[in-house]
Formats: sequence, C-alpha cells, structure tokens
Amino acid sequence: AQSVTQLDSQVPVFEEAPVELRCNYSSSVSVYLFWYVQYPNQGLQLLLKYLSGSTLVKGINGFEAEFNKSQTSFHLRKPSVHISDTAEYFCAVSKVRAAGNKLTFGGGTRVLVKP
Amino acid sequence: EPEVTQTPSHQVTQMGQEVILRCVPISNHLYFYWYRQILGQKVEFLVSFYNNEISEKSEIFDDQFSVERPDGSNFTLKIRSTKLEDSAMYFCASSEGGQGGNTIYFGEGSWLTVV
Repeated sequence: AQSVTQLDSQVPVFEEAPVELRCNYSSSVSVYLFWYVQYPNQGLQLLLKYLSGSTLVKGINGFEAEFNKSQTSFHLRKPSVHISDTAEYFCAVSKVRAAGNKLTFGGGTRVLVKP
Repeated sequence: EPEVTQTPSHQVTQMGQEVILRCVPISNHLYFYWYRQILGQKVEFLVSFYNNEISEKSEIFDDQFSVERPDGSNFTLKIRSTKLEDSAMYFCASSEGGQGGNTIYFGEGSWLTVV
C-alpha cells in the first residue's frame, strides 16, 4: 500500500515570499507523483506531475517540484507567491503499473498568502 | 477548457434516504472515478469505472454504494441508505487513459450532508 504525508497542515506566507510545501511518500512499488491545488469553492486542479526523467518538474502558475527518490520526497516550491496562490495543496501518488489509475492523497496543506 | 461537472453542489438528506450524485465527465475520457473527502480528512478513492463496469473499488465502497453510466454522458454515484458518516464532499473525476500517470481531472465536488 502507498501512503502520503504532508508535514505541514497550514503554511502562512507573505506575498512575494518563497514557499515550500513538503511531501513524503511510502510505497513498496514505484510510483508516479502529483501535486493538485484546490482554490476556494473549486475542484482539484493538477499543478504538476512526475512520471520519469528529470527530477525537477515545472508546473503551472510558477510552481515546481523536485523528486528525491532516496528521501522519498516530492516537495513543491514557488519562489514568489501571490495572493491568488491562497489555496489548499494536495500531494498524491499512483502506482506505476500496467492498469489502474488510483490516486492516494496526502492530508493537504493550506497556504494562506498575506499582503 | 473541458471540465468535469457535478450536480448538485450541495445536498442535505435525512439518514436512511437514497441519494444520487451526478457527474458529466470530460467527453473524450473513458475512465471515471469517485473520490470523497470527509471534513478534516484525506481525499479517499472510492471507485473507478471503465467500459461500463467497475474496475477497482476501495473497502469504503460497500453494498450501499453503486455507480452507473445511464447514458453516453452522465456518470452517477448512488448511496442507497445514507448514514451520518456518509457526510462528505464527493468528487467525480475522469481520465483519458487508465494507466497510472494519466492525469485525472476532478469536478468541483458535491457536498453531501446527512442529518
């Protein structure tokens, strides 16, 4: 079975400051990694995903994440946040396998960007 | 941009009543899913559906739950006899492919309150 841990449930940050959201996973098999964002009153939207290749993945809205296999981590970063980045961010994994596409989510991190 | 749409956005129901949550997946997608998030808990996988049958389900998805694709566009989740613990946000999702790594697109959710 897989599990995902997001170490911070809430992260307050000032506008234009950098932010890092931490995600660690546990799995006995290889996984793909995802970050989703949920803006207030909206659904989950994919920010970025890691499938293979370069461990640094760039996503939408200036976010990027780095896959670290030895530390089983996939931390999300943005160098300068905007008020509009206020949202909840979810890290998720799915197994690398021939069939089946099921996501296992972390608990989420609420980011509150302050002016 | 194509999106997954869900109705209703919010439903309040009496314990023991049947509830049907409706979803219109993205039109060229072949794989459909339901996830739920109980307040304060993680987003959890319920079921995946392909080619008019369930391809995978979690332990949560017991005999009280059923899914159906009644026509070419809708995908529904039925809860036969609701319990208080079924109160949650239910997310419908779809993907073009069924293998791990395929992007799963989520709707905005249906908030179910059982009283």
